[in-house]
Amino acid sequence: AQSVTQLDSHVSVSEGTPVLLRCNYSSSYSPSLFWYVQHPNKGLQLLLKYTSAATLVKGINGFEAEFKKSETSFHLTKPSAHMSDAAEYFCVVSGPNTGNQFYFGTGTSLTVIP
Amino acid sequence: ETGVTQSPTHLIKTRGQQVTLRCSSQSGHNTVSWYQQALGQGPQFIFQYYREEENGRGNFPPRFSGLQFPNYSSELNVNALELDDSALYLCASSLGAGMDTIYFGEGSWLTVV
Repeated sequence: AQSVTQLDSHVSVSEGTPVLLRCNYSSSYSPSLFWYVQHPNKGLQLLLKYTSAATLVKGINGFEAEFKKSETSFHLTKPSAHMSDAAEYFCVVSGPNTGNQFYFGTGTSLTVIP
Repeated sequence: ETGVTQSPTHLIKTRGQQVTLRCSSQSGHNTVSWYQQALGQGPQFIFQYYREEENGRGNFPPRFSGLQFPNYSSELNVNALELDDSALYLCASSLGAGMDTIYFGEGSWLTVV
């Protein structure tokens, strides 16, 4: 079975400080892992993806995530938050035998304080 | 912009009615997936269409049905609408089924009253 758990439903950071959004996954097989961002009243935008290549994945807008198999984690980080980063972030897992579906976490709402 | 377009963007229906939502996939993409996102939740997989055939289905009742056309555009149909069907319906396209990256449209907001 495939699933993801986003450990924080809400995260607040000050502008210019680091961002950490936590995600743990459960997968019977080697998973593909993704982070998507959703701005208010918008669709989902792909930030980055891991598909069994390098464990440190760099995405758009300065975000990156590290795949840690021993910890079954795929946390999203950014060194310095910008006001435009305020949005909902979803961790997503897919993989073999998932029936072609992506499994989404419940989301983490990021607030950036000026 | 992902190149995935959905229509309509917003609509209101009455309980018991039927609704059709439409999606045009990104150019060259032959796979379309539909997701339901209830308020405050993550998207839930409804089903996927690959080359005009259903190719995977989530835990949704049969009153949720779909079509994919030769140009790879797709429709989601929901019959006998219930209040809990109120949600954002997201279409995603990809080049092939399986673990390929999927690209989402901006969704159709459905309100059932």
